[in-house]
Amino acid sequence: QKEVEQDPGPLSVPEGAIVSLNCTYSNSAFQYFMWYRQYSRKGPELLMYTYSSGNKEDGRFTAQVDKSSKYISLFIRDSQPSDSATYLCAMSATGGGNKLTFGTGTQLKVEL
Amino acid sequence: GAGVSQSPRYKVAKRGQDVALRCDPISGHVSLFWYQQALGQGPEFLTYFQNEAQLDKSGLPSDRFFAERPEGSVSTLKIQRTQQEDSAVYLCASSLLGAGDTQYFGPGTRLTVL
Repeated sequence: QKEVEQDPGPLSVPEGAIVSLNCTYSNSAFQYFMWYRQYSRKGPELLMYTYSSGNKEDGRFTAQVDKSSKYISLFIRDSQPSDSATYLCAMSATGGGNKLTFGTGTQLKVEL
Repeated sequence: GAGVSQSPRYKVAKRGQDVALRCDPISGHVSLFWYQQALGQGPEFLTYFQNEAQLDKSGLPSDRFFAERPEGSVSTLKIQRTQQEDSAVYLCASSLLGAGDTQYFGPGTRLTVL
């Protein structure tokens, strides 16, 4: 079993929908939680960075971490076709400056 | 400003050939990471440098994989005697210091072994 589990999708939603993406993990040592967006044939780009439990909001994006359930989520409001990409959750035990453990990635398509 | 750059962007090798992949991190970034991303999968950690010191190489899949960063800046990932299972995208990331800092990724090198 992988340390980080993520539904690979694909997930298809209409423009303007609220998108919910999530990951579960098994390693209780994880303290730092990230969401990266990866467009086809590009490197991952950091979207959200959260330490420990709680919520963080940035524009249309909200990240939630529930350490008691070992569950993290990313919500995208008012989704746009430009949001179509693969979304990767990532975690580390000692911070972003140490090795990241990624989920498989969820492929999202936002349709007009 | 300039981000992380990698070269070549695409590499095709015949099985058994040696390859060298280059990473130019963001200027001033102390930490450098290599990840391997197989098709349809998330990146998997290979190795980590802090300046020129290789602090963690636990993710290197075999002794055919070797990485170096001799002057604490540019890094090279070398794969000897390539095998078909080495086909993947190799991503490089750098961060300013260490724990707690964001990792910035390059575009990757797509390696295909025939």
